[in-house]
Amino acid sequence: AIQMTQSPSSLSASVGDTVTLTCRASQDIRNDLGWYQQKPGEAPKLLIFAASSLQSGVPPRFSGSGSGTDFTLTISSLQPEDFATYYCLQDYNYPVTFGPGTKVDIK
Amino acid sequence: EVQLAQSGAVLKEPGESLNISCKASGYTFTDKWIHWVRQMPGKGLEWLGGVYPGDSDTRYNPSLQGHVTISVDKSTSTAYLHWTSLKASDSTIYYCARRNYYDGSGYYWYFDFWGRGTRVTVSS
Repeated sequence: AIQMTQSPSSLSASVGDTVTLTCRASQDIRNDLGWYQQKPGEAPKLLIFAASSLQSGVPPRFSGSGSGTDFTLTISSLQPEDFATYYCLQDYNYPVTFGPGTKVDIK
Repeated sequence: EVQLAQSGAVLKEPGESLNISCKASGYTFTDKWIHWVRQMPGKGLEWLGGVYPGDSDTRYNPSLQGHVTISVDKSTSTAYLHWTSLKASDSTIYYCARRNYYDGSGYYWYFDFWGRGTRVTVSS
């Protein structure tokens, strides 16, 4: 199975900051990568698919980049509702695998 | 509007069987895969498997070693996750999600709609 790692595991930031989250795959996954946001008590929510395509309805302050094994999610001008855990997910082949997540909390 | 309505929380004893459900609406049920994901306690997310309602083709995470079964009832647009013998370690929240794709330079898959989750507690 393809292993996904994320860094950092957590970070503290302030409203208005720009943060960059990193995800790495154990092998080339083209750009078959998605980013999901999860808040406590809620289901995950799709933000980005195909590494850089913004899901409909997601604010443009979220952006994704990368291909192959290294990917990033950037959140520009953090808003209060953005404090959550972010997971990357490779959908290149089965079994589909998630990264362990990056928790973004308020400084 | 696409919706995935999951069954309610359950409390079971070890060794019991269980079905939890995910009823889809707002789209053609047989056209999209439905997958199951669980929230590892205090940790992240784990993909369990999925089913294509059109022909009941299924995929499973090998790590589960046949511990769960996924099925569908096309007549009610409902997907199921089934255990024949629950363990305490099955206690967690289970989500169903619709798997969609983007046809760019090849297919790119993603989970675009999610159910609200079903909490399963297995305890004697």
